[in-house]
Amino acid sequence: GNSVTQMEGPVTLSEEAFLTINCTYTATGYPSLFWYVQYPGEGLQLLLKATKADDKGSNKGFEATYRKETTSFHLEKGSVQVSDSAVYFCALLVNSNYQLIWGAGTKLIIKP
Amino acid sequence: NAGVTQTPKFQVLKTGQSMTLQCAQDMNHNSMYWYRQDPGMGLRLIYYSASEGTTDKGEVPNGYNVSRLNKREFSLRLESAAPSQTSVYFCATQYEGEQPQHFGDGTRLSIL
Repeated sequence: GNSVTQMEGPVTLSEEAFLTINCTYTATGYPSLFWYVQYPGEGLQLLLKATKADDKGSNKGFEATYRKETTSFHLEKGSVQVSDSAVYFCALLVNSNYQLIWGAGTKLIIKP
Repeated sequence: NAGVTQTPKFQVLKTGQSMTLQCAQDMNHNSMYWYRQDPGMGLRLIYYSASEGTTDKGEVPNGYNVSRLNKREFSLRLESAAPSQTSVYFCATQYEGEQPQHFGDGTRLSIL
């Protein structure tokens, strides 16, 4: 079946550190891939997406590349800020019924 | 623009009580979704509505009912609340197909 696996959190980093949050998936066909972010007390917001292999999604300094050969969509940022502290969710869209399959989320804590 | 509005934001119920969570959107989106979010489990789909007049079960529909009242509104009802339904509930909307989902700020529900 379809599934998404994210690295467990919390991930704690110092400000200006390099960030990687791993996401791997299992899916039939050619899903679209998404990263959503949830700030404390808020709903989820789309951070970036990629719809086909080798696409790179980017937004607010975050990047993720759709790697079909490794079934991965790792989130990266070169220099994190305290304001990036949030929970990050990886998700895939199943084209057959357009349902989102969600990872468990990774909490990111950035210390000044 | 309000986007996706959920009411109430917080609610405490006693076991066996009933209540309806409301969701309204002003984005003219076709699809609407109800999720629950529990620690370490990501988002789980309860019910969704692909268009006005249609509803379908998601991953965890037991104990819930929904109504797509019109294109704007999608309500979630708990007929007899149980402590296992303590969670944060999110409503989301989507225009169609592979477009991203847009979320409300959530309803935090506690059942004693």
